[in-house]
Amino acid sequence: DTEVTQTPKHLVMGMTNKKSLKCEQHMGHRAMYWYKQKAKKPPELMFVYSYEKLSINESVPSRFSPECPNSSLLNLHLHALQPEDSALYLCASSHPVRGDGANVLTFGAGSRLTVL
Amino acid sequence: AQRVTQPEKLLSVFKGAPVELKCNYSYSGSPELFWYVQYSRQRLQLLLRHISRESIKGFTADLNKGETSFHLKKPFAQEEDSAMYYCALSGGSYIPTFGRGTSLIVHP
Repeated sequence: DTEVTQTPKHLVMGMTNKKSLKCEQHMGHRAMYWYKQKAKKPPELMFVYSYEKLSINESVPSRFSPECPNSSLLNLHLHALQPEDSALYLCASSHPVRGDGANVLTFGAGSRLTVL
Repeated sequence: AQRVTQPEKLLSVFKGAPVELKCNYSYSGSPELFWYVQYSRQRLQLLLRHISRESIKGFTADLNKGETSFHLKKPFAQEEDSAMYYCALSGGSYIPTFGRGTSLIVHP
């Protein structure tokens, strides 16, 4: 299995809702990432987990809460979002090493989130 | 600090024309450089990496440490090359820094 799978593909939620995005990979990658991407813009790093521990939080508002239950799964819990949080949320995974070009990111197809 | 600069937001060429997407980087050590591509309605994916020195879909990129550049080139563009292209740099960490992206449009 060489894919990163994200669910749901689309999500519409109100500002008072609580929802979660899910990401799964079975490539043995021990680094997992959440990115936010607006149209025609580069992906913006939100969180990085390395060996199931949160290693990077790019000053993301607390209404986004990541969770890494095991080495294959990554969740992003959403609560009290704002309309400006509407975007494509990308999950990615890689080997958490540098050298020999090994740290290639494999991206999921994304979850398109609309906040009303 | 590390930074990636893609000076062109949009590059528009005709089919069969040569194409060069520019990427300059700032990093004092030995960089690892990548090109990622995002076709319309498809996921972001690796196109090539400097360490492999390979040609993928007719694209090549050479790391020029003197000019701190990693430009992506293809001698004859095809319509199916139309996509967003992102240059990425891994400097001191395995986590890449992405450039802002260049939208390549290849006209028939």
